[in-house]
Parts: sequence; structure tokens; C-alpha cells
Amino acid sequence: EDQVTQSPEALRLQEGESSSLNCSYTVSGLRGLFWYRQDPGKGPEFLFTLYSAGEEKEKERLKATLTKKESFLHITAPKPEDSATYLCAVRDSGYALNFGKGTSLLVTP
Amino acid sequence: NAGVTQTPKFQVLKTGQSMTLQCAQDMNHEYMSWYRQDPGMGLRLIHYSVGAGITDQGEVPNGYNVSRSTTEDFPLRLLSAAPSQTSVYFCNRTGPPTDTQYFGPGTRLTVL
Repeated sequence: EDQVTQSPEALRLQEGESSSLNCSYTVSGLRGLFWYRQDPGKGPEFLFTLYSAGEEKEKERLKATLTKKESFLHITAPKPEDSATYLCAVRDSGYALNFGKGTSLLVTP
Repeated sequence: NAGVTQTPKFQVLKTGQSMTLQCAQDMNHEYMSWYRQDPGMGLRLIHYSVGAGITDQGEVPNGYNVSRSTTEDFPLRLLSAAPSQTSVYFCNRTGPPTDTQYFGPGTRLTVL
């Protein structure tokens, strides 16, 4: 059975303090690992898709990386507007996504 | 809204009532699905559709029905609401070329 575990559950950073969020997964055949950002009261917003170990994607202060067992979302010099819940999901066969429970990030000025 | 609209945004039902959550997309994508999000549980797949006239069950389908008569619309029906169906419901569409799933803004449902 596919499993996705995100850590930490919550993270508090000061503005400018870089850190990483972790997503570990077990899946029979990975067909994509997805990162989403979710603001309170809104739907998940797509950030990245990674398909194979060694792949990296960047967007502004965010960088996602992938190994055979886990993915990291690196946040460089975060700003308060980066505060949100970050969700990780994996896809094996078909289209269904298996989501982790998310990491709640708070960036304080 | 990532090309996905959901109505209503909020709804309160009494146990046993029925209702339909509406979902529409404007990208003509074949794949659409419904998820529910509960505190501490993450997003869980309810039903999905790979095209008009084709639907299938996800992880938590009990108590929900779906139909897909057109590519654009994918409504979710609660036939007899129960308090356990209190949740936030998200509809999404999947588009080429990366098969990325784009989510709507959600419907927050409370069943009393």
C-alpha cells in the first residue's frame, strides 16, 4: 500500500531563515511526486511535479528535489507570504494521488 | 481557480437530507475527481472519472454518487447526509502534458 509521510507537521521560521520540508514515500512504481501549497480556506495550488530520482525543480524561493525514497522542499530566505500548508502527493498507476498530511509553515517577520 | 469552479462554497445540511455539490471545468480535460479533506487525515479520493460516461470509486466512496454526462461537469451527490460527511470537498481536473491535477476552491459542508 502506498504511503506518504510528511515532516515536520509544523514549522515556524523567522523571515530569512532557510529550511527544508520532508516527504518520504513508499510506492510500487512512482509516476510522479507532486508538491502543493494550500492557504487557509482555499484549494491546493500546484507547485511542482518530479518524476525521477535526481530531478530538481525551482520556483522563486522554493526548490524541490527527489530521491528514490523521499523528496525535499527547500525554502530559501522565506518571507511571511510563504506561510501556508505544503502538501506532498504521489501517483503510482492511474490518476489517483495519495497525499501526505501536510506541513504547516509559519514565517514570522 | 485553476479552471475549476465549485458551488456552493458553504452548505449546512441536516442528517438525512440530500444535496449535490457542483463542479465544472473549462479546459475540456478528460480526468476529473473528487477529494475530501479532514483535519489530520489529508486529502482522500472519493470518486473519479476518466471521461464522459465513465466513473469509478476511490478510497472513500460510501455515501456518495457521481455521474459524468458531459466533459465539463462532474457533480457529487450525497443521497442521505450523515455527520461523518462533514468535511471540505475539492474537485479537480487533470490536464496534459504533465497530467498535473488542478484543484477547485472547495465546498465546506457541515452535516448536523
